[in-house]
Amino acid sequence: QKEVEQNSGPLSVPEGAIASLNCTYSDRGSQSFFWYRQYSGKSPELIMSIYSNGDKEDGRFTAQLNKASQYVSLLIRDSQPSDSATYLCALILTGGGNKLTFGTGTQLKVEL
Amino acid sequence: DGGITQSPKYLFRKEGQNVTLSCEQNLNHDAMYWYRQDPGQGLRLIYYSQIVNDFQKGDIAEGYSVSREKKESFPLTVTSAQKNPTAFYLCASSTPQGAYTGELFFGEGSRLTVL
Repeated sequence: QKEVEQNSGPLSVPEGAIASLNCTYSDRGSQSFFWYRQYSGKSPELIMSIYSNGDKEDGRFTAQLNKASQYVSLLIRDSQPSDSATYLCALILTGGGNKLTFGTGTQLKVEL
Repeated sequence: DGGITQSPKYLFRKEGQNVTLSCEQNLNHDAMYWYRQDPGQGLRLIYYSQIVNDFQKGDIAEGYSVSREKKESFPLTVTSAQKNPTAFYLCASSTPQGAYTGELFFGEGSRLTVL
């Protein structure tokens, strides 16, 4: 089982809709979770972090964490064409110190 | 402006040649990282360094080497022992605290193609 699993997509949503991106992980002891956005040919940028069960909102973005079920999700409300990118889920494994482990990413396409 | 500079942006190499990718940062960050990204594979950690003159292997270190002689610089050498070196290479840096909060600053990347 991979340490971090994401559906590669592409996930296509119409402009203005809610995009839901999901990530599951295998290390039950992981405590720190992150979402990065990566535009094609560019470097990743951190958009959300979450450490506690529940929801964390930042503008149009909401991160959700459920440690019991070992999944993390990212909701993007009022999706815009500029949100079209690959979204990478990342976490710090138990005993991983300060190293991030990344998922393979989900490609999101927001269509006009 | 502070940031991370990677060079070259594009590099072509013949099989059997070693190449060195440059990574320089002026953010005064202690920690630096090298990741490799292949299509559909996400980012995989090659090497990382938390302090000058010290570095550790990541998940896919075979066929690569690094040095950390200066705080600002963390060059990556892709050796001829790396069987499939064609990939997008990303360098990142962080403060010691930033690594735990996911605050990695990435360079623009270097795309290596083996001919």
